[in-house]
Amino acid sequence: NAGVTQTPKFQVLKTGQSMTLQCAQDMNHNSMYWYRQDPGMGLRLIYYSASEGTTDKGEVPNGYNVSRLNKREFSLRLESAAPSQTSVYFCASTPRGGGTDTQYFGPGTRLTVL
Amino acid sequence: AQSVTQLDSQVPVFEEAPVELRCNYSSSVSVYLFWYVQYPNQGLQLLLKYLSGSTLVKGINGFEAEFNKSQTSFHLRKPSVHISDTAEYFCAVHLTTDSWGKFQFGAGTQVVVTP
Repeated sequence: NAGVTQTPKFQVLKTGQSMTLQCAQDMNHNSMYWYRQDPGMGLRLIYYSASEGTTDKGEVPNGYNVSRLNKREFSLRLESAAPSQTSVYFCASTPRGGGTDTQYFGPGTRLTVL
Repeated sequence: AQSVTQLDSQVPVFEEAPVELRCNYSSSVSVYLFWYVQYPNQGLQLLLKYLSGSTLVKGINGFEAEFNKSQTSFHLRKPSVHISDTAEYFCAVHLTTDSWGKFQFGAGTQVVVTP
C-alpha cells in the first residue's frame, strides 16, 4: 500500500495564481484532513472531511476550498494565492475520524507564493 | 478550547544520552494525547498515544511517555538516543468530548543528536 500520497511535492506560484493540491489514500479510511505547517506554529487544520460527501472548516480555512471527490481523494484549492499561503501542506487520513484514531500523513507539498 | 504547549523549541543532545521532551496541555475536559515524529522532508508518523488506562505509554523506537493528569502533562522520554532520532517531535491532543478528528498540535520540538 502507498498510504497517503500527495502531488505535487513542490510548487512555486505568483501572487494571484490558482492551483489544486491533490491527496489520495488507499487505506479505505473514512476521514481526511488538510493541514498547513509553518515554523514555530506546528500544524494547523485547514479543512476536514469526516466522510465522503462532507467537508468542514478547520482553524484556518480562509483562502482555501476543498473537494472530497470520493472516499480516496481529497483536494485543496487555492483560488488566488497570496504570499501568506507560503507553507508546507500535509494531507492526513484516519480510519474513522474519532479522537482515538491515529492520523496517517502524506509526505507534504512545499508551496512558495512570490 | 484546548491548547498544547511544547516547552522547548529545540533540544540538543549527545548520542547515547537520555532525552525528555515536555508537553503541557490545557483543557476543561479529559483528552486523548499523542506524540508524532517528523523526520527531515517527511510527513508525521505516530510514536505513541494515550487513550486511557496505564499512565505510562510505550511507543516505537524505544520512546515512552507519561500522562500526568494533575500537572496536565505528557512528557516524552528516551533513555539513550541515536543519531537517527534527529527529527521534529509534535505533541497533539484531542478532547474526548469532540466527535470528530479535531486534533490540536503543539509547535514542535526539534531534537538534534550529535556524536
